[in-house]
Amino acid sequence: EAEVAQSPRYKITEKSQAVAFWCDPISGHATLYWYRQILGQGPELLVQFQDESVVDDSQLPKDRFSAERLKGVDSTLKIQPAELGDSAMYLCASSLARQGPAFFGQGTRLTVV
Amino acid sequence: DAKTTQPTSMDCAEGRAANLPCNHSTISGNEYVYWYRQIHSQGPQYIIHGLKNNETNEMASLIITEDRKSSTLILPHATLRDTAVYYCIVRGLNTNAGKSTFGDGTTLTVKP
Repeated sequence: EAEVAQSPRYKITEKSQAVAFWCDPISGHATLYWYRQILGQGPELLVQFQDESVVDDSQLPKDRFSAERLKGVDSTLKIQPAELGDSAMYLCASSLARQGPAFFGQGTRLTVV
Repeated sequence: DAKTTQPTSMDCAEGRAANLPCNHSTISGNEYVYWYRQIHSQGPQYIIHGLKNNETNEMASLIITEDRKSSTLILPHATLRDTAVYYCIVRGLNTNAGKSTFGDGTTLTVKP
């Protein structure tokens, strides 16, 4: 069964350092999403791509977060500099079409110390 | 997208049916009901979705009331592995999947 791949699975970083997460969506899925999930809460959307283009980044803290999907396949989410409040699970998801169900990866658990 | 209301937590005995309710009284005509679940420390898993007719797949059944203001996800024979947080989401036909607002969901605990 096809899956969304994410790495690393866990990441510990010091505040003010840079950190990056990688996501490889299900093959053929044009739509890719990055979510942040704080412990005990539901996921919240950070950014959405359609192919290589950003279609929604209204919830992305652009002063420190950036995301790219240069070839319209895999994607990288970066935080620079990391802050203590960025500790969370970062989830990537993809869907075949904008309107279809989203399929999630296992996530990257980030701890900022 | 319409807002949903779910109970914070529910228990179910192993082998029995688990019935998870969701209220979406402000749903509009072109909005679908989606269900996802999230097992501890994993990413959310898509379960099922529907518009107005009841739906069934290998994982669960979705019962939507005639007025579409509420729905119930049914796991026919719950197992310990079904212990998870279950999210009910309402999303319009023209709304991107990523716009789904997850809320805090229902924590289902299946007990032996």
